[in-house]
Amino acid sequence: GAGVSQSPSNKVTEKGKDVELRCDPISGHTALYWYRQSLGQGLEFLIYFQGNSAPDKSGLPSDRFSAERTGGSVSTLTIQRTQQEDSAVYLCASSLRTEETQYFGPGTRLLVL
Amino acid sequence: GDSVTQMEGPVTLSEEAFLTINCTYTATGYPSLFWYVQYPGEGLQLLLKATKADDKGSNKGFEATYRKETTSFHLEKGSVQVSDSAVYFCALSDRRLYGNEKLTFGTGTRLTIIP
Repeated sequence: GAGVSQSPSNKVTEKGKDVELRCDPISGHTALYWYRQSLGQGLEFLIYFQGNSAPDKSGLPSDRFSAERTGGSVSTLTIQRTQQEDSAVYLCASSLRTEETQYFGPGTRLLVL
Repeated sequence: GDSVTQMEGPVTLSEEAFLTINCTYTATGYPSLFWYVQYPGEGLQLLLKATKADDKGSNKGFEATYRKETTSFHLEKGSVQVSDSAVYFCALSDRRLYGNEKLTFGTGTRLTIIP
């Protein structure tokens, strides 16, 4: 079956612009996570969704970062007024239920010039 | 907070050599422990896991044992193959503490196997 998909696969933007990153989880998966993989910080958690609710946003690095999930499916991570330190690979993962194995998407590579 | 420390890489071995990648953790609760692998050009995928002390996770010839007394979860394989070349991440989660399974990762170890 289809895995987790993310789009775009690559994004180049200018400092100060807003970007939207999309995640399509595996169908039926109720839990969804966003992570960031950067050279300086390694792999770090950003936000967790259960259905359309985000009970854990503790990893969002600043108020420029926000995310939503609609219909218990697609999630969008938005970064406003991008900075060069936002350059990273943004990974999405989903699991059937919270306690189940997380399946990762291929990531979106973001470069802020 | 919770943290994971794993062996610095890169690691280069000859085919059929024995592999150990060290991983230790610091956690306030009772975490589950994982090894994830990222093959070249592919996404992260779960290799194995253990959910409580003394559990052994195993998959594709890899093994790791959850050692609470030494707070360790070292990855081992008896005879590596060229196809094992990848980046390996040790990770933990603690749903009882955080209410979800968010993963805390180590820095990753790049493994290269030469024929």
